[in-house]
Amino acid sequence: AQTVTQSQPEMSVQEAETVTLSCTYDTSESDYYLFWYKQPPSRQMILVIRQEAYKQQNATENRFSVNFQKAAKSFSLKISDSQLGDAAMYFCAYRSASSNYQLIWGAGTKLIIKP
Amino acid sequence: SQTIHQWPATLVQPVGSPLSLECTVEGTSNPNLYWYRQAAGRGLQLLFYSVGIGQISSEVPQNLSASRPQDRQFILSSKKLLLSDSGFYLCAWEQGGNQPQHFGDGTRLSIL
Repeated sequence: AQTVTQSQPEMSVQEAETVTLSCTYDTSESDYYLFWYKQPPSRQMILVIRQEAYKQQNATENRFSVNFQKAAKSFSLKISDSQLGDAAMYFCAYRSASSNYQLIWGAGTKLIIKP
Repeated sequence: SQTIHQWPATLVQPVGSPLSLECTVEGTSNPNLYWYRQAAGRGLQLLFYSVGIGQISSEVPQNLSASRPQDRQFILSSKKLLLSDSGFYLCAWEQGGNQPQHFGDGTRLSIL
């Protein structure tokens, strides 16, 4: 069974600096999708970035980028120029491209932005 | 553009009372629909998903049920709530199995 692990329960970063959130996953499949979601204190779950496993190029969305290492089964999220509005819980999620409709979620990392 | 509406935002119910949470999606057709529960400070637990009208898959056995009476409507129900049903409930939709899921604003359910 697939699993997703976020080993950092909490991270803090100074405003305007860069922070990297780690995510590792376990799967025997070769085709899948990976996601990062953000959940601010308002509790709304917001998609940050999506990566397709068959694409070697790392996905980027403005200040957010990923470091996707397929062989290592690692999918870290880098946030550049951190802003106060980035403070939130960040969840990593995995989905198989073939088996079923489930997203497998990590436990989350709480990101604190220091002004 | 597509939008998802989930209500109520907050609900306080006594133990043993019934429950009905509703979720509707606009701007798309035949979406996949999901109900999740999130305990405080934790990740998401998938409760139910639906790939079409009347088609419900349950991932966790419990006293909750789900129904999809219309294409873009997904309802989470219970006949008798338990204290353990307290939590934050999120509805989500997606267009196809390889697309990201998009979430409603959630319902905070407290059982007294």
